[in-house]
Amino acid sequence: LAKTTQPISMDSYEGQEVNITCSHNNIATNDYITWYQQFPSQGPRFIIQGYKTKVTNEVASLFIPADRKSSTLSLPRVSLSDTAVYYCLVGGLYSGAGSYQLTFGKGTKLSVIP
Amino acid sequence: GAGVSQSPSNKVTEKGKDVELRCDPISGHTALYWYRQSLGQGLEFLIYFQGNSAPDKSGLPSDRFSAERTGGSVSTLTIQRTQQEDSAVYLCASTRLGGSSYNEQFFGPGTRLTVL
Repeated sequence: LAKTTQPISMDSYEGQEVNITCSHNNIATNDYITWYQQFPSQGPRFIIQGYKTKVTNEVASLFIPADRKSSTLSLPRVSLSDTAVYYCLVGGLYSGAGSYQLTFGKGTKLSVIP
Repeated sequence: GAGVSQSPSNKVTEKGKDVELRCDPISGHTALYWYRQSLGQGLEFLIYFQGNSAPDKSGLPSDRFSAERTGGSVSTLTIQRTQQEDSAVYLCASTRLGGSSYNEQFFGPGTRLTVL
């Protein structure tokens, strides 16, 4: 099962680009990589997802190297409202063994400073 | 339609009591997930339902925990003989399709359980 590792916390000034990297050395062939954002007292919210290479949407970019053992969430020009915890999620249905697990990282607490 | 809802939003109970936590997924979503989030910690995966079936219950912390889903909709997470270490926020999520991190999960607001 893929285990994920992220930095515990990061600080950034408003307007800067923030890159958060997640390591998932044991990622399986059928695993996708998904990032979620969580504000206090709320459930996580989907940000972006990818399988390999680069994915970009209106809020973020996701970079995944060829070996897929890590991924980097990139938030352009962060604002105070981006202060939150960011989780990477890796997992999938593992056939044969009948085991199914989803592994969230412990999350990276991003603090955006004025 | 409405998002994922969970009830109660807060539950305070005494050690040794049983509690039931409810999750109403988004209508039509076939898969449902339960997570536990202890204070200041990440999300701990508990169990996943595809329809009414849970293919893997090994994520449940102990045999005091059980979950069921009926009618392919509402799910209940039951904790028997609660212990103080069960105190956490219990989050539920649903996906339109099942079984993979590929599918965007829609989370409910969670139930905050406090065991005194």
